[in-house]
Amino acid sequence: DAKTTQPPSMDCAEGRAANLPCNHSTISGNEYVYWYRQIHSQGPQYIIHGLKNNETNEMASLIITEDRKSSTLILPHATLRDTAVYYCIVTPRAGSYQLTFGKGTKLSVIP
Amino acid sequence: EAQVTQNPRYLITVTGKKLTVTCSQNMNHEYMSWYRQDPGLGLRQIYYSMNVEVTDKGDVPEGYKVSRKEKRNFPLILESPSPNQTSLYFCASSRGLAGLGGELFFGEGSRLTVL
Repeated sequence: DAKTTQPPSMDCAEGRAANLPCNHSTISGNEYVYWYRQIHSQGPQYIIHGLKNNETNEMASLIITEDRKSSTLILPHATLRDTAVYYCIVTPRAGSYQLTFGKGTKLSVIP
Repeated sequence: EAQVTQNPRYLITVTGKKLTVTCSQNMNHEYMSWYRQDPGLGLRQIYYSMNVEVTDKGDVPEGYKVSRKEKRNFPLILESPSPNQTSLYFCASSRGLAGLGGELFFGEGSRLTVL
């Protein structure tokens, strides 16, 4: 199954856009990219997902490169409440049901 | 309200005393999974279940058992807990694993301490 690589930490000024990168160079054609975030020790919360096209919802935008080897989660106007650990994962290939989360990116939004 | 409910939320126990952490979802999801989270190690999958009576090992299954007798429930069993199982545990469920409806819904977590 495709693995993901994320920077361990990032800072973002309050009110600015937060751009969180994720590398998934071994992703295959039918594997989706999902993003979750975890605030403190709460249960992770789903943010957005995509396959090939860019996606946007009320929380964020997801930009997937044309070769699908990387993606960026964009929080357009970061607030202090967006401080969290953000996880990028790739859904397992057909016939496999393991979901590996990794360590994610700790985003700190600074006043 | 759609939710995943875990119990207990907090537990302190002693080595060797069998315990069960329950997980229940009210969304009729087929997929359920258990994760543990330890400092610096992220979320690691313990066991998962694709449907009733269908379970399989995740990345760190040693020392744990699960069962899926009903679609809504997926208990995590520690037959003989040891201190290295002190951790924060999360249960999650999903309608599928990819595409629309593939997002995981997580419980609030169960913090377990084994002395």
